[in-house]
Amino acid sequence: AQKVTQAQTEISVVEKEDVTLDCVYETRDTTYYLFWYKQPPSGELVFLIRRNSFDEQNEISGRYSWNFQKSTSSFNFTITASQVVDSAVYFCALSEVAGANNLFFGTGTRLTVIP
Amino acid sequence: DAGVTQSPTHLIKTRGQQVTLRCSPKSGHDTVSWYQQALGQGPQFIFQYYEEEERQRGNFPDRFSGHQFPNYSSELNVNALLLGDSALYLCASSSQIYEQYFGPGTRLTVT
Repeated sequence: AQKVTQAQTEISVVEKEDVTLDCVYETRDTTYYLFWYKQPPSGELVFLIRRNSFDEQNEISGRYSWNFQKSTSSFNFTITASQVVDSAVYFCALSEVAGANNLFFGTGTRLTVIP
Repeated sequence: DAGVTQSPTHLIKTRGQQVTLRCSPKSGHDTVSWYQQALGQGPQFIFQYYEEEERQRGNFPDRFSGHQFPNYSSELNVNALLLGDSALYLCASSSQIYEQYFGPGTRLTVT
């Protein structure tokens, strides 16, 4: 069975600090996909990134970076030089097949960036 | 290019009533999934529709049913509402194997 654990319920940082959101997953499948979504107060889930289980390369997109480590079943998300607009709930999710199959979500991490 | 749209935005119903929520997928998408998000929790998968058929279903009772129309839009129906059905209902659309894009959700309150 699939499981996604986000142990950090809430994190507060001061603007311009770096912050890392942790995600640990469990799956018996050898082929799977990992995702991060952002949910601002408006409620709409915003897609940030998708990684497949065969690609362990770290990825950087502007101030965002992701560290995928299969050995520890982790897919951590780092925001560099945080901004107030980064304040939101962030969800890590797992899918056995990208897109078309259902997503298993963690319970989310609420990030508050203090100006 | 319009994203995923959902209606209504908010809804208040009484226990025992029935409710229908609607979703229009992003242009070019043919697959629609529905999720329930209780307060403070992550979204939970209800079911997925593709080619007007339910392709996959999560652990939800038969009171939850759905439909997909030829234009790929979808409805979620919930019968015999319980207080525990109060949640944000999210619709997501995708095109086959690609990532899902979510709508703004419908907040359902059952009193």
